[in-house]
Amino acid sequence: EPEVTQTPSHQVTQMGQEVILRCVPISNHLYFYWYRQILGQKVEFLVSFYNNEISEKSEIFDDQFSVERPDGSNFTLKIRSTKLEDSAMYFCASRSDSQGNQPQHFGDGTRLSIL
Amino acid sequence: GNSVTQMEGPVTLSEEAFLTINCTYTATGYPSLFWYVQYPGEGLQLLLKATKADDKGSNKGFEATYRKETTSFHLEKGSVQVSDSAVYFCALTNYNQGGKLIFGQGTELSVKP
Repeated sequence: EPEVTQTPSHQVTQMGQEVILRCVPISNHLYFYWYRQILGQKVEFLVSFYNNEISEKSEIFDDQFSVERPDGSNFTLKIRSTKLEDSAMYFCASRSDSQGNQPQHFGDGTRLSIL
Repeated sequence: GNSVTQMEGPVTLSEEAFLTINCTYTATGYPSLFWYVQYPGEGLQLLLKATKADDKGSNKGFEATYRKETTSFHLEKGSVQVSDSAVYFCALTNYNQGGKLIFGQGTELSVKP
């Protein structure tokens, strides 16, 4: 069964550094998402992406965050200048829209640790 | 705005016990409802879904019924196994509002042999 893959599985970065989290969504999917989960808390929506542009973003997704789909397969989340509070598990998800009401499929996540 | 509330965890059960994890929601329009499961060290996996009122989602012995009158989507399983130990997340989405998922806080289930 096709799956969403995320790399790296764990990223350790110094505060203030830029970090790029990578995701390869399922190949025929059209909608892409990033979520984060701070340790012990709920999963929170960050941003959705469709037709090569952001369709919605949360208040968490400020100017330090950006997303890109640089080619036909990758979907990246960039944090320009990381802060301690960016430490979390980041999940990528994708869904198709072939029949409407299709569920999102998640990757295994990238654990981001900011020192 | 849309929101999901789950019962507090952790929930600890003995093997073969009956499981209920309560989930209620607040939403405009006609949301679709989901249960996702997160096993230790892994990502989120879709467990089951229901897209309209009175639909019952089921998978791996788990069931949940979309109750519009009580705005609930409680997860049940008749006989849990040790391998069901995980964190369970109730979630909703409104596809005509962009399709983002709104999650509950998660309920940790621990099943003892």
